[in-house]
Amino acid sequence: ILNVEQSPQSLHVQEGDSTNFTCSFPSSNFYALHWYRWETAKSPEALFVMTLNGDEKKKGRISATLNTKEGYSYLYIKGSQPEDSATYLCAFSLYNNNDMRFGAGTRLTVKP
Amino acid sequence: DTGVSQNPRHKITKRGQNVTFRCDPISEHNRLYWYRQTLGQGPEFLTYFQNEAQLEKSRLLSDRFSAERPKGSFSTLEIQRTEQGDSAMYLCASSLVGGTETQYFGPGTRLLVL
Repeated sequence: ILNVEQSPQSLHVQEGDSTNFTCSFPSSNFYALHWYRWETAKSPEALFVMTLNGDEKKKGRISATLNTKEGYSYLYIKGSQPEDSATYLCAFSLYNNNDMRFGAGTRLTVKP
Repeated sequence: DTGVSQNPRHKITKRGQNVTFRCDPISEHNRLYWYRQTLGQGPEFLTYFQNEAQLEKSRLLSDRFSAERPKGSFSTLEIQRTEQGDSAMYLCASSLVGGTETQYFGPGTRLLVL
């Protein structure tokens, strides 16, 4: 069974705080790791796709790292804003990007 | 808006009825995916198409579920004889073979079976 685990399940932070979440995945037969942001009543938005061990990606105040040998990825948000409130999903691809297994997500709430 | 669209956004039906959802992918995308998401879980893969060919179906997919993509553009997902356990968010995504292969999602159709 290829489980993708995300922690924490939910997180409440104050505006301006920096935060990070974890995605754990099976480290064998790795193809790619995806991060999505899903705001209520909107479409999940693709943030990053990472394929190489040691990859680091950045988009504004959000960045992600990847460790394929130990099977984890971190997502960091610097100086959280209320508009960052969303569920952050990670997905692991085993052989190709057709086969994505999602974690249950981390629900972030940023209080003004 | 040139993103993935889904209709309807919400559907309430009675147990035993049939329902059909539609997905319009990004126009140049040749792959189209269907997922189901239930409360507290991440999206779960159901099936995918490359052009009009259905290439993979999840073993978890009941035979009450059928999906089509007749002209390789929009797709429909039909659920026959709905059950209360079918209540979920049904998400569609599309991607381009040979591109980044990132899957771009629609806003989903939320189904409630009473």
